[in-house]
Amino acid sequence: EDKVVQSPLSLVVHEGDTVTLNCSYEVTNFRSLLWYKQEKKAPTFLFMLTSSGIEKKSGRLSSILDKKELFSILNITATQTGDSAVYLCAVGSGAGSYQLTFGKGTKLSVIP
Amino acid sequence: DTEVTQTPKHLVMGMTNKKSLKCEQHMGHRAMYWYKQKAKKPPELMFVYSYEKLSINESVPSRFSPECPNSSLLNLHLHALQPEDSALYLCASSRSIPSDTQYFGPGTRLTVL
Repeated sequence: EDKVVQSPLSLVVHEGDTVTLNCSYEVTNFRSLLWYKQEKKAPTFLFMLTSSGIEKKSGRLSSILDKKELFSILNITATQTGDSAVYLCAVGSGAGSYQLTFGKGTKLSVIP
Repeated sequence: DTEVTQTPKHLVMGMTNKKSLKCEQHMGHRAMYWYKQKAKKPPELMFVYSYEKLSINESVPSRFSPECPNSSLLNLHLHALQPEDSALYLCASSRSIPSDTQYFGPGTRLTVL
């Protein structure tokens, strides 16, 4: 059975701090790893990673994938209260079929 | 246009009612999905449509009935639901399968009384 494990499950930081969120996985026929941000409603797409060692960046957010050690990290620098959300990691897997497995998410709270 | 829209935003229904959730996208995506998300849990896949054909049904009870009238629209027909079916129902779309980058709609918050 495919597994996606995120840590920590929750995190409280002060504005301006840098945070690192972790996602490890065990899946058959890995295709891609995705990060989403979910506030009150729908998950918002952040990154899709398919290759090891290539950092993806968008503003203060960045992410990298290690396919040998089967994990990914999501970094957020200079955090702001608007970064408060649940961050979901999902892994696409399966050969010739569709499977997207979500982790339980990391709840990030940024306090002023 | 990179938006997936869903209607209604909120729905309250009794166990004997019949209602439908609607989802629409105009990004030319050929894969569309229904997810169910309970509070403080990740989304769970219910159905996948690829090129308007149902390709995956994750053992969802028959009281949920999906329909894909055309490549832009996806419906979820609800009948004889149970209170435990109360959840956020999310629609998503992607360019194709297996294109994993899915774009989610805002969801419909369903309450079954």
